[in-house]
Amino acid sequence: GNSVTQMEGPVTLSEEAFLTINCTYTATGYPSLFWYVQYPGEGLQLLLKATKADDKGSNKGFEATYRKETTSFHLEKGSVQVSDSAVYFCALSDQTDSWGKFQFGAGTQVVVTP
Amino acid sequence: DVKVTQSSRYLVKRTGEKVFLECVQDMDHENMFWYRQDPGLGLRLIYFSYDVKMKEKGDIPEGYSVSREKKERFSLILESASTNQTSMYLCASSLGSGFGNNSPLHFGNGTRLTVT
Repeated sequence: GNSVTQMEGPVTLSEEAFLTINCTYTATGYPSLFWYVQYPGEGLQLLLKATKADDKGSNKGFEATYRKETTSFHLEKGSVQVSDSAVYFCALSDQTDSWGKFQFGAGTQVVVTP
Repeated sequence: DVKVTQSSRYLVKRTGEKVFLECVQDMDHENMFWYRQDPGLGLRLIYFSYDVKMKEKGDIPEGYSVSREKKERFSLILESASTNQTSMYLCASSLGSGFGNNSPLHFGNGTRLTVT
């Protein structure tokens, strides 16, 4: 079956530091890949997505590249802010699944200190 | 923007009560989903629906049922609440169906349910 593995948190870093959150996946079909962010007290929001190999998704200074050869979709940001403190979820949707179901990673909490 | 609205942010119920969690979306999405979110486990799919009156079990359907009488509304029902159902419940919706669909999920703000 399909699954997503992402690095455990919490990840604590200082403002303006470089952030990387690792995400790897297994899929029987052909997945689309997503990063979602959850701010305290809120639901999940789509951060970025990529639908085919070598695609790069980007939004709000975050980037992730769909690497089929390493089955990875690592999230990066060059200079984090305190407002980036949140829980980040990597997810996949198998394009051969007609119902558009998603598999989520366990989430990585990121704490950015001033 | 898509809006997914969950009727309650916080609920406290007693063991054995029947509990209804309501979710409404305003963008005519075909697919709707119920997840529960627990620390260290991420999101786990309880049930989903791809059309009115249609439903499919997700990964953890035991102890839950759902109802979708109208396209915009998807209800999660706990027939007899138990303490192990204390969790954050998230509703989501997405466009369309069919192969090749890579439509993202749109989430509500969640309902934090405590069963005592």
